[in-house]
Amino acid sequence: GAGVSQSPRYKVAKRGQDVALRCDPISGHVSLFWYQQALGQGPEFLTYFQNEAQLDKSGLPSDRFFAERPEGSVSTLKIQRTQQEDSAVYLCASSLRPGLAEYNEQFFGPGTRLTVL
Amino acid sequence: AQSVTQLDSQVPVFEEAPVELRCNYSSSVSVYLFWYVQYPNQGLQLLLKYLSGSTLVKGINGFEAEFNKSQTSFHLRKPSVHISDTAEYFCACSGGSYIPTFGRGTSLIVHP
Repeated sequence: GAGVSQSPRYKVAKRGQDVALRCDPISGHVSLFWYQQALGQGPEFLTYFQNEAQLDKSGLPSDRFFAERPEGSVSTLKIQRTQQEDSAVYLCASSLRPGLAEYNEQFFGPGTRLTVL
Repeated sequence: AQSVTQLDSQVPVFEEAPVELRCNYSSSVSVYLFWYVQYPNQGLQLLLKYLSGSTLVKGINGFEAEFNKSQTSFHLRKPSVHISDTAEYFCACSGGSYIPTFGRGTSLIVHP
């Protein structure tokens, strides 16, 4: 596709349910990032993949959050036993090159809005 | 460590008027600075970026920003706004890292 896509666009979960959020990056992009954007806030970094390797997961808020990118393309962010504080927009971004050194522009998807009741 | 402060949460302006959205940063290392725009129900789109060189950076849709190292600022400007510029604007910086730090955003509201 032409850009980064995410699915579902909206997800409502009951507290305690598990959810899985999908990201399809731009084809050929090496780097993939997940961000959490709470209402009225800027995006906050969750985790970073270079191809299939998860190089940084320092932003994941708890061990209920898990991300994978097994074949170096599509990525899934899984949240187990969802809590109300997990309600946010989850953004995925991809970039062409590895993320270090000179800035490597990130292309963002439209996000998944998660509401936990 | 780095941080970004967007001084205004909301900026109302009339169509065809000039606008400035303010951004201040702090970083212990050299920084890269960015402005992103987010339209409703869409992802972030890069407006412009400062990596090095000229401190005046021109971006898409007629926006420009000036890097001021002494004031640690990177304010975004447009000489004449349109209704279609109504959106959320985010300033971000990254300093020697691939992880950008975003500000809380400024909502630009353009009135006819």
